Amino acid sequence: GQQVMQIPQYQHVQEGEDFTTYCNSSTTLSNIQWYKQRPGGHPVFLIQLVKSGEVKKQKRLTFQFGEAKKNSSLHITATQTTDVGTYFCAGRRFEGGSNYKLTFGKGTLLTVNP
Amino acid sequence: DVKVTQSSRYLVKRTGEKVFLECVQDMDHENMFWYRQDPGLGLRLIYFSYDVKMKEKGDIPEGYSVSREKKERFSLILESASTNQTSMYLCASIRGGGPPNTGELFFGEGSRLTVL
Repeated sequence: GQQVMQIPQYQHVQEGEDFTTYCNSSTTLSNIQWYKQRPGGHPVFLIQLVKSGEVKKQKRLTFQFGEAKKNSSLHITATQTTDVGTYFCAGRRFEGGSNYKLTFGKGTLLTVNP
Repeated sequence: DVKVTQSSRYLVKRTGEKVFLECVQDMDHENMFWYRQDPGLGLRLIYFSYDVKMKEKGDIPEGYSVSREKKERFSLILESASTNQTSMYLCASIRGGGPPNTGELFFGEGSRLTVL
């Protein structure tokens, strides 16, 4: 079945350093979403990428979708303590009719040392 | 504000008990989901429903059942709880629509279940 691999599993950085998490799918995706889960919280939607090669920015966060629509990345510039949390990618594959399947990566836990 | 509400944040149950986890959304969404979240395993889909009285198995349905009698409510049922079902359970909903669906998931705050 469809798999979405996400690396790294953990990342610890000093405040001000950059951070990147990567997702790779075994199959071509219709779109990919990114979610953030703060410690003790629930996943919250960040962004969705749909087009091949798409790049979107949200302040210090840059999201990319690969040309083949099989991989994606989230890059945070100059991390802050408020960036702490687990970042999940979720790849959606269209399976025909009204069926689609959203598969989550296992997430990357980011900790930031102030 | 849109909202997905899970009835219990924390539950402690004994092995063999029947457990109901309730989820209600106020967004008139067609699709609802139950995930469990475990350290190192991420979010795994248990069941989902794309309409009232409809249900589909996710990736790990064994030991669970669901009920969707009303559009806004999606219940997860553990017929006979076991210790390996100790986990965080997350309900989510998403607007339905023509393929390919591109909506975002709205999650509830989660129900942490401990089975002793």
